[in-house]
Amino acid sequence: DAKTTQPPSMDCAEGRAANLPCNHSTISGNEYVYWYRQIHSQGPQYIIHGLKNNETNEMASLIITEDRKSSTLILPHATLRDTAVYYCPRNKFYFGSGTKLNVKP
Amino acid sequence: NAGVTQTPKFRILKIGQSMTLQCTQDMNHNYMYWYRQDPGMGLKLIYYSVGAGITDKGEVPNGYNVSRSTTEDFPLRLELAAPSQTSVYFCASNPGAYEQYFGPGTRLTVT
Repeated sequence: DAKTTQPPSMDCAEGRAANLPCNHSTISGNEYVYWYRQIHSQGPQYIIHGLKNNETNEMASLIITEDRKSSTLILPHATLRDTAVYYCPRNKFYFGSGTKLNVKP
Repeated sequence: NAGVTQTPKFRILKIGQSMTLQCTQDMNHNYMYWYRQDPGMGLKLIYYSVGAGITDKGEVPNGYNVSRSTTEDFPLRLELAAPSQTSVYFCASNPGAYEQYFGPGTRLTVT
C-alpha cells in the first residue's frame, strides 16, 4: 500500500524542538521522502526532502532511518507561525491527512 | 515569477451547472496536478499531466475532466456539479522531480 502513517496531532511548546514522525514502510529504494506543510487553508508549502542521508535546510532537518521505513521532521525552535498541518506524501501523490502541529506559548 | 495561479478564488455553483477551474504556471514545469481537499481532510489527487497533450487519472477522477494544450495551462472541468464536489481545489506543478509548487486554491461550493 503506497501510503504513509502520521499521528493526527501533536503539541509543542514555543521555542522547543518539534519532532514529527512519518512511517513509510513500503517505500521503494529510489523513492525520495518529502515533507510539506499547510498553514490554515493556504496551498501546501514544500519544506525538505531526502533519499538516504539526513538533510538540513533553513526551515528544518530531516532524519531518515537506515532502513528508510520511517522519517522524522525536526523544527529546531518552533514558533507560533509553525502551527500547521504537516504532510509526508508518498510518491508526491498521496498526501494523507497529515499531522496537525499546535505550537503553544 | 508569479508561480502557480488559480482562478477563481471562490465560486458557488448550483447542482447540475458546469464550470472550469483555471490553473496557470510560469515556471515552464512539465508536470501539473489537480488536488481536492475536503474539510478537515488531506489532499486527494484528481488528475495529473506530465506534459502538453498528456494527462492521466489520479485517485478521484470521477466527475472531472482535464486538458493540457500548453505547458502553462491545466484547466479542470466540472460538467454536472454535485454537492459531493464541494471542496477546495489546489493546482500544483513541478519540473518532474523535486518539490511541487502549489497555487492558492479555489474554494467551490455546490448547492
